[in-house]
Amino acid sequence: QVQLLESGGGVVQPGRSQRLSCVGSGFIFSAYGMHWVRQAPGKGLEWVAVISYDGRNKNYADSVKGRYTISRDSAKNTVYLQMNSLRPDDTAVYYCARDGVEGLDFWGQGTLITVSS
Amino acid sequence: EIVLTQSPDTLSLSPGERATLSCRASQSISTHLAWYQQKPGQAPRLLIYDTSKRATGIPARFSGSGSGTDFILTISSLEPEDFAVYSCQQRFTWPRLTFGGGTKVEIK
Repeated sequence: QVQLLESGGGVVQPGRSQRLSCVGSGFIFSAYGMHWVRQAPGKGLEWVAVISYDGRNKNYADSVKGRYTISRDSAKNTVYLQMNSLRPDDTAVYYCARDGVEGLDFWGQGTLITVSS
Repeated sequence: EIVLTQSPDTLSLSPGERATLSCRASQSISTHLAWYQQKPGQAPRLLIYDTSKRATGIPARFSGSGSGTDFILTISSLEPEDFAVYSCQQRFTWPRLTFGGGTKVEIK
């Protein structure tokens, strides 16, 4: 069955960096684009970034552009989110999600990033 | 950027009642709209895509309608497991996506 497992969350000081990972299994990872979506505590979902199936195309939300970088290693079935210059308003649960024909059809369980001194 | 506005913020209903949730886009998105359900502590789950198509395994009591800027998610008869937060999401600007703020369906 399709599974996505995020890791890399934790408490990070403002201005520092953190890298999230999302490992996929149960499907042909290299055939799918992958998204990162975040949810601040008590708030709605916010789309963050997307990478195409082959890694050639990437897009970012304006709120993270220039600070975050999405990448993938299909040999490891993993998508990454490198987050730099973190701010308190980046505090959120970060989800990776598969870009299926029907939409974001599979999601990971999420990993919490707390940006605080 | 396309903004999605959901209403109401909260819907208080009893099991067995009909739920009608609204999602309005700031500009036309044709039928490129999806709906997700999210329960506390869980990841979102895809319910509806392309406005009216149910995702795999989604019960028939969930239906979607609309086009252009106005969209509706209807739950025909609420089951206890349907009390959750529902979010709409547009794919018109795919691969860049936008989500609405969510509607909470709570037990009255």
